[in-house]
Amino acid sequence: QQPVQSPQAVILREGEDAVINCSSSKALYSVHWYRQKHGEAPVFLMILLKGGEQKGHDKISASFNEKKQQSSLYLTASQLSYSGTYFCGTSPDTGNQFYFGTGTSLTVIP
Amino acid sequence: GAGVSQTPSNKVTEKGKYVELRCDPISGHTALYWYRQSLGQGPEFLIYFQGTGAADDSGLPNDRFFAVRPEGSVSTLKIQRTERGDSAVYLCASSPPGLAGVNEQFFGPGTRLTVL
Repeated sequence: QQPVQSPQAVILREGEDAVINCSSSKALYSVHWYRQKHGEAPVFLMILLKGGEQKGHDKISASFNEKKQQSSLYLTASQLSYSGTYFCGTSPDTGNQFYFGTGTSLTVIP
Repeated sequence: GAGVSQTPSNKVTEKGKYVELRCDPISGHTALYWYRQSLGQGPEFLIYFQGTGAADDSGLPNDRFFAVRPEGSVSTLKIQRTERGDSAVYLCASSPPGLAGVNEQFFGPGTRLTVL
């Protein structure tokens, strides 16, 4: 049930771009993206609903391919503040569960 | 406005004891989730409330875990006969009214449970 994320970890220099992928074995109704810094609670980034839309704000955007049950998070021109662990979260087409992915540790260095 | 609050922030207990963890969601949020997060792992779904009723408790690991939300606001996660494997950070999140997964989840700071 837990979505699989790739890569597991990535190190970027400030200004570089990154893509984080999330893949589920179940049909999905929605995909969320959260960022969690060490010792803190997850913070919401964005949500994508069934329909294959793409969303974005500032330099962070995401896409959702419902047929492939996959989502990707795009980080452009990374900043030091982007460092943290990124989790996708998914709700299945049926049921009321919510499953977080395996996580991607992202470190931005000067 | 106030965010999601959780008490206590830290709880240390002995194996076999009973514990209660409290979550106070954002006012007006009818959806409430409980998760458990172990070090280096993503949050693990435990239970989802819509109002007063548990709409889905399929994530509760066994019958030692139980959660209530009697008035549709504050929720309490109860763990009986605690085991060392229950040690983790327990996170609560609330959302505005809507189907599970449709709305942003607002997380509380978590309760760190340590079972000795």
